[in-house]
Amino acid sequence: SQQGEEDPQALSIQEGENATMNCSYKTSINNLQWYRQNSGRGLVHLILIRSNEREKHSGRLRVTLDTSKKSSSLLITASRAADTASYFCATSSGSARQLTFGSGTQLTVLP
Amino acid sequence: KAGVTQTPRYLIKTRGQQVTLSCSPISGHRSVSWYQQTPGQGLQFLFEYFSETQRNKGNFPGRFSGRQFSNSRSEMNVSTLELGDSALYLCASSLAGEAFTDTQYFGPGTRLTVL
Repeated sequence: SQQGEEDPQALSIQEGENATMNCSYKTSINNLQWYRQNSGRGLVHLILIRSNEREKHSGRLRVTLDTSKKSSSLLITASRAADTASYFCATSSGSARQLTFGSGTQLTVLP
Repeated sequence: KAGVTQTPRYLIKTRGQQVTLSCSPISGHRSVSWYQQTPGQGLQFLFEYFSETQRNKGNFPGRFSGRQFSNSRSEMNVSTLELGDSALYLCASSLAGEAFTDTQYFGPGTRLTVL
């Protein structure tokens, strides 16, 4: 079963705009990871944020984590058509290595 | 460094048959996990292997099994296929280091269609 939800389920924006996706989860975590998936292919790892971190940047990506609200957000700045994909958050908890995924956000960036 | 590879990429089987999927992790990675992705259930964890031992298992029937070899390569097997087993099967590998920073890297997946 999925641990949490992602919001919105779908997002459509123009090239150059910023895209923000939100993720909520239910239990205590070790870390939260964001992945991108293009058209039913494999998952590409974007960024990992540890439970004791509040914000992390990587290129055009900015991730925040609020453990008190059990939520995270992914911001993609200056979006490009190539950013069109599904984005998933995944949490790791306890000593297990399994990831529990959110339901995903389908991002469409229009040229 | 080469990424996670999975073979075959596409597979068509009929109900009742069995199937074996293969995964080669990134060199040096010791943990291999398997996930099933379907439109209805999303991404769900199947099992994780480390040092040839299954460490963790998701909520799937016993028809789903796996193993890991001494070189960390892994296979998963699904017996007595059902229509509902049609899915994208994803393999992920990680160094299995410290839990807070352990990153899982995914392969391209095997698309299984059961007719």
